[in-house]
Amino acid sequence: DIQMTQSPSSLSASVGDRVTISCRASQSISAHLNWYQHKPGQAPKLLIYAASNLQSGVPSRFSGTGSGTHFTLTISNLQPEDFATYYCQETYRTFGQGTKVEVK
Amino acid sequence: QVTLRESGPALVKPTQTLTVTCTFSGRSFSTNGMCVNWIRQPPGKALEWLALFDWDDDKYYTTSLKTRLSISKDTSKNQVVLKMTDLDPADTATYYCARIKKPREAATIFYYYGMDVWGQGTTVTVSS
Repeated sequence: DIQMTQSPSSLSASVGDRVTISCRASQSISAHLNWYQHKPGQAPKLLIYAASNLQSGVPSRFSGTGSGTHFTLTISNLQPEDFATYYCQETYRTFGQGTKVEVK
Repeated sequence: QVTLRESGPALVKPTQTLTVTCTFSGRSFSTNGMCVNWIRQPPGKALEWLALFDWDDDKYYTTSLKTRLSISKDTSKNQVVLKMTDLDPADTATYYCARIKKPREAATIFYYYGMDVWGQGTTVTVSS
């Protein structure tokens, strides 16, 4: 099975900051990588599919890059509603361990 | 727009079998080209993908739980059902179902668009 490793596990940031989250796959997954946002008590929300495609309705401050084994989620101009846990996912299977974005 | 809703028992005893149901509804939605996934999240832990049901009757399971899982559909009720046998307290989690809408283009991989619609989850506790 493919292993997905996110870094960092958590980070502290302020509104307006630029935030970058890394996700590495244990073997090449081409561009079959999705990013989700998850808040306590809510359903996870798809942000990015196929590595770099912004899901409909998701603000353009979210962006994804990468292919092969290394991927990045960037949130530019962090907003109050963006404090949450973010997960990468390969294909339809393995999720990363999550990155919690907290208030600095 | 399709909506998904999970249902199941809140409390299950160890060694018993868990049955959780995903019911989907919505105006103008179709099961054509639809896959339904089950994902769980134990308290304080990460999301874990469990199983996928392709409405064309393909099924996929996570390797580590394959012997304990079975997924099926009830077309008349617009439901996908997941059964997990031999429960353990480590199976305590919130169980989510989520949709993948398959691309119309046959050459595009079926999971291309990711899990775009999720239910709110159902919390299951395994305890005697």
